Parts: sequence; structure tokens; C-alpha cells
Amino acid sequence: RKEVEQDPGPFNVPEGATVAFNCTYSNSASQSFFWYRQDCRKEPKLLMSVYSSGNEDGRFTAQLNRASQYISLLIRDSKLSDSATYLCVVNVFQKLVFGTGTRLLVSP
Amino acid sequence: EAGVVQSPRYKIIEKKQPVAFWCNPISGHNTLYWYRQNLGQGPELLIRYENEEAVDDSQLPKDRFSAERLKGVDSTLKIQPAELGDSAVYLCASSLDRVTDTQYFGPGTRLTVL
Repeated sequence: RKEVEQDPGPFNVPEGATVAFNCTYSNSASQSFFWYRQDCRKEPKLLMSVYSSGNEDGRFTAQLNRASQYISLLIRDSKLSDSATYLCVVNVFQKLVFGTGTRLLVSP
Repeated sequence: EAGVVQSPRYKIIEKKQPVAFWCNPISGHNTLYWYRQNLGQGPELLIRYENEEAVDDSQLPKDRFSAERLKGVDSTLKIQPAELGDSAVYLCASSLDRVTDTQYFGPGTRLTVL
């Protein structure tokens, strides 16, 4: 079983739609969680950290469920510029483990 | 503020040849990482440095890969000899101190082994 699992997509949504990505992790000792964004042929960039209480940054909301070992990312009012791959990242014993990423395509 | 700098951006070599990648982290960042990203996959950690000390190299294939971070600033990752399966993007990242500090990635070196 992979340490971090994501649906690779692609998720095709129209502008203005709400889309949600899920991620599961296998190691219950995981300490911290992140979502990174990676544009095509570019480097990954931190989108947001994920906290147990849930956190929001503009149109983006991240949730963590430690009991189910599950992380989610919700994007509201999708923009064309949101098209990218979203990487779920888990800190396991001081090492960041990246999922394979979920590809999002937002169309006009 | 300058970001993480990597060179070269692209490299094409024949198998069995050596290759080296260079990384200059963000000024003041003590922790430096080398990752490898295969097509359609997330980055995988190869080695992590805290200053000049390699504190996690468990994923580095030591038979052919080597890395160094002299003086705790720039770093070089070397492959000798390269194999076809080494074709990937090699990403360097840096963070202030801890693994949980934001990691800033460089643009990567895209390696093609023929």
C-alpha cells in the first residue's frame, strides 16, 4: 500500500464549479500535512498546510480527519488558473512523502 | 529574494556516462533536499542535508549516486554511471530549518538518459 494515495484524475470542471480532492495516508504517526500545487513542467509550490481544525485560504479549504487518515482539499468558484496538479503531502518521521497528485482541468 | 537556483535545466546523456547537478538554496536556508520526480509521480526524497550534514540519505542509491554540500550552502548531486531508469526531473528544495518549514523548490533539472 502506498504511504499517500490520491486519485490521479483528471478532474474536468467548468469555471465557477466547486471541486474536492481526497487523499488517504497509511502511517498513523504522520505529524503534519500539506497541499502543494504543481503546474505543468514547473516545480511544486506550497498551497496550504492542513490543520486538524480545518483551515481556509480564500477559495481553498483543507480538512484533516486523523481517525480516518484522510485529507481533503475543496476549491470553490474554480478559475482557469486553478488548472494544475495538486499534491497531497504528509510528514512521516521528518520526511515529506508526496502523493502522485490529482490533476485538475478547469474549462471556460 | 532569489529563489532556489539549479543548473543545468536540461541534460541529455548516454547511459553509463556521468552527470552532475548543482543547486544553490535560498540564502539563510539551512536545510537542503534533493528529490527525484518521475513522470506522473510525486517527488521522492533522495537526501536531506542540515547544514553540511546528510541527515537522511536512506533513499539515495549509493552504488551510483553521491551528493555533497560543502560549507553548508551549495550542493551537488552526481550519478555515475547513469542508467536508462535515471531519466527523471531532479528537484532541489530548501527550507529554513525543520522539515515542516515551507520547502521551496527550484525549477529542477530534466535528465534524459539515452
